[in-house]
Amino acid sequence: KNEVEQSPQNLTAQEGEFITINCSYSVGISALHWLQQHPGGGIVSLFMLSSGKKKHGRLIATINIQEKHSSLHITASHPRDSAVYICAVPKEGGSEKLVFGKGTKLTVNP
Amino acid sequence: NAGVTQTPKFRILKIGQSMTLQCTQDMNHNYMYWYRQDPGMGLKLIYYSVGAGITDKGEVPNGYNVSRSTTEDFPLRLELAAPSQTSVYFCALGGINTEAFFGQGTRLTVV
Repeated sequence: KNEVEQSPQNLTAQEGEFITINCSYSVGISALHWLQQHPGGGIVSLFMLSSGKKKHGRLIATINIQEKHSSLHITASHPRDSAVYICAVPKEGGSEKLVFGKGTKLTVNP
Repeated sequence: NAGVTQTPKFRILKIGQSMTLQCTQDMNHNYMYWYRQDPGMGLKLIYYSVGAGITDKGEVPNGYNVSRSTTEDFPLRLELAAPSQTSVYFCALGGINTEAFFGQGTRLTVV
């Protein structure tokens, strides 16, 4: 069974700072998901990636399959980026179930 | 195209009462999931379905039931509500290798 660890648990930044959130997992995977949960509670998918790097606006997600590690970067952070960021991976080989990290709560101050 | 519609948004139940959380999708996804989210914890899988007529238990199925009579609908039934079922519930679509889509969530309190 895959275990997912996210770090840090909480992160406070000043507007404009470069943000990095990390995710490590224990079992080889076919894809990794990054999700965003806003203070109102809704959850949206940011990225799904299986190798390399993906970029969407100011958000960049990278994954190192060999090291079982992924990072989510936010460039030029803004208060509207304040949210909980969640990493998710398949529970185990051949499973259609995801296991989720506990999330990283990001607060960006103006 | 509404995506995933989950109702209700909020509900207060008394201990022992029952209720159904509704989840409807218009994206023709086969894979549907019900999760609960407790404070400080990651999302936990309650039940999931890989297609109409097929359902299976997740990590925390006790006290819940589901059905999947159509591709569109995946209701979650709570029987004999208990305080331990106080949580935020999310319905979601998508398998492990596809983008995930979540409903807006249901905040349930059992008193």
